[in-house]
Amino acid sequence: AQTVTQSQPEMSVQEAETVTLSCTYDTSESNYYLFWYKQPPSRQMILVIRQEAYKQQNATENRFSVNFQKAAKSFSLKISDSQLGDTAMYFCAFTETSGSRLTFGEGTQLTVNP
Amino acid sequence: DVKVTQSSRYLVKRTGEKVFLECVQDMDHENMFWYRQDPGLGLRLIYFSYDVKMKEKGDIPEGYSVSREKKERFSLILESASTNQTSMYLCASSSSQQGGRETQYFGPGTRLLVL
Repeated sequence: AQTVTQSQPEMSVQEAETVTLSCTYDTSESNYYLFWYKQPPSRQMILVIRQEAYKQQNATENRFSVNFQKAAKSFSLKISDSQLGDTAMYFCAFTETSGSRLTFGEGTQLTVNP
Repeated sequence: DVKVTQSSRYLVKRTGEKVFLECVQDMDHENMFWYRQDPGLGLRLIYFSYDVKMKEKGDIPEGYSVSREKKERFSLILESASTNQTSMYLCASSSSQQGGRETQYFGPGTRLLVL
């Protein structure tokens, strides 16, 4: 069974600074997808970024980028130029290419301070 | 914009009551999911459905059942609510056309308190 682990329950960062959230996973599959989802306070969860395991290049979406280390089974999220609106719970998630169900990590509560 | 709506934002029920949580999506998605979210545990999959009248157990199906009579609607049923089912319940939907890479779209959640 796949597992996803986020070892940082809480993190904080000053506005405009860079922060990295960690995620490790375990799977015997060679091809799969990894995601970061964001849940702002009292708002709906939304997708931040997606990485396909067979792609060597790290995914980037504006200020959000990932560091995908397949051999180490590590998938960290870097947020550059942090903004107050980035304050949220962030979840790392995994799925196999053959299915649609996601396995989520425990979540990291990120607070961006002014 | 994809919209996933849930019937209630907050719900208070008594132990032993039958509880219905309803989820509706407007994007003609094949897949629908029910999760519960608890602090320190992340999201755990209760049930999912990949087509009308089809369902599969997730990781924690005990004490729950589901119904999908129409493509856009997926209901979660607590047959006899217990205090350990106090939680946040999230519904999600996704297309099945992309082989795993599809985005899941989430509803706003229902915070259920069982007394």
